[in-house]
Amino acid sequence: EVQLVESGGGLVQPGGSLRLSCAASGFTFSTYAMSWVRQAPGKGLEWVSGISGSGAGTYYADSVKGRFVISRDNSKNTLYLQMNSLRAEDTAVYYCAKASSDGYTLGVYWGQGTLVTVSS
Amino acid sequence: EIVLTQSPGTLSLSPGERATLSCRASQSVSSSHLAWYQQKPGQAPRLLIYGASSRATGIPDRFSGSGSGTDFTLTISRLEPEDFAVYYCQQYGTSPFHFGPGTKVDIK
Repeated sequence: EVQLVESGGGLVQPGGSLRLSCAASGFTFSTYAMSWVRQAPGKGLEWVSGISGSGAGTYYADSVKGRFVISRDNSKNTLYLQMNSLRAEDTAVYYCAKASSDGYTLGVYWGQGTLVTVSS
Repeated sequence: EIVLTQSPGTLSLSPGERATLSCRASQSVSSSHLAWYQQKPGQAPRLLIYGASSRATGIPDRFSGSGSGTDFTLTISRLEPEDFAVYYCQQYGTSPFHFGPGTKVDIK
């Protein structure tokens, strides 16, 4: 059974940093692209960042480019999102998602999300 | 970048009725890379349709997807009580992999 469990969310001050983790199980982690998607309170889904199975390819939304870094440790079956220079508008539930085997679909499986609140 | 627009913003229907949701892209999207997701309050999104028209595992056949190029449609043939939710389209062909703004299907 595929499981994705996010952690690392919490309250952080503007300008601060946070690292999110997504622990994966139930599939061969290294062969699947992964993504982070966020949802601000009462708003729609926003794709944040994606990474290829090997980690060689990374992609970012303009809203986080230069501030967030996506990475993965295939030996630990874990996806990460390092978030720096955080702003109030980064407040959201952050979901990790597993892509399809053919790479054509972003979110075949999703975690339950972790809440990040940026506030002083 | 490809921008997705969904209409209507809200669809008010009764159980048993047919729902037709539209997703329009600012430029052509490969059908292979167009998906629809359902999200209920407090829950993670769930994949409904991938490749524009293929149902994901476990999705009832009252859900169907169609379209190509810049115009895509999600149809729910007969609404069940559990179908009242927000629906998002999303393209995964060209980064950034934007979602549409969503269509809320609520009970009339």
